[in-house]
Amino acid sequence: KAGVTQTPRYLIKTRGQQVTLSCSPISGHRSVSWYQQTPGQGLQFLFEYFSETQRNKGNFPGRFSGRQFSNSRSEMNVSTLELGDSALYLCASSAPSYEQYFGPGTRLTVT
Amino acid sequence: GESVGLHLPTLSVQEGDNSIINCAYSNSASDYFIWYKQESGKGPQFIIDIRSNMDKRQGQRVTVLLNKTVKHLSLQIAATQPGDSAVYFCAENISGAGSYQLTFGKGTKLSVIP
Repeated sequence: KAGVTQTPRYLIKTRGQQVTLSCSPISGHRSVSWYQQTPGQGLQFLFEYFSETQRNKGNFPGRFSGRQFSNSRSEMNVSTLELGDSALYLCASSAPSYEQYFGPGTRLTVT
Repeated sequence: GESVGLHLPTLSVQEGDNSIINCAYSNSASDYFIWYKQESGKGPQFIIDIRSNMDKRQGQRVTVLLNKTVKHLSLQIAATQPGDSAVYFCAENISGAGSYQLTFGKGTKLSVIP
């Protein structure tokens, strides 16, 4: 069974730009969550989607948004990028039995 | 203000010894707990989980203990191997009701001395 895949793996953007990251969950997983990992703040929850609906949301500004498609694939978007948005963005999908599996992440660098 | 990198606690163990990594969680209503291992340049890897109605769960070479009274979680790794070197995170699910909102601990760096 293929794991969680994320594209792109690396991205460099300029302040003020926007970015879209993509996540394909494990086949059969309907819940997709996004996390931001930085050296300063550690791993922080962004949001969770289930059946195309946002089910949970973390404490991030509205510049961070996401969506989920009918095939459970998910995208997250960050608008008006700031230097502090540089991070590893991780996607996780969850099995019906609760286990949550992470992808390799997208490394975003904002210059 | 300027962000400061997290100073991870470090645990150094001799190859073959047992390792114990501890974690305090914050929300007494959390119903599900997970331990993850993260190697450099990779996403967190699921190790073992435990639900709040249990106090112990065993996997292959790993055991998780949950003490709800003091809100404490521990991960025991038996016969630690060099491949176990990584950062270990505990996570609690604060959402409940089958949905997910994991809060992660700061992590512990495990170094295995060959």
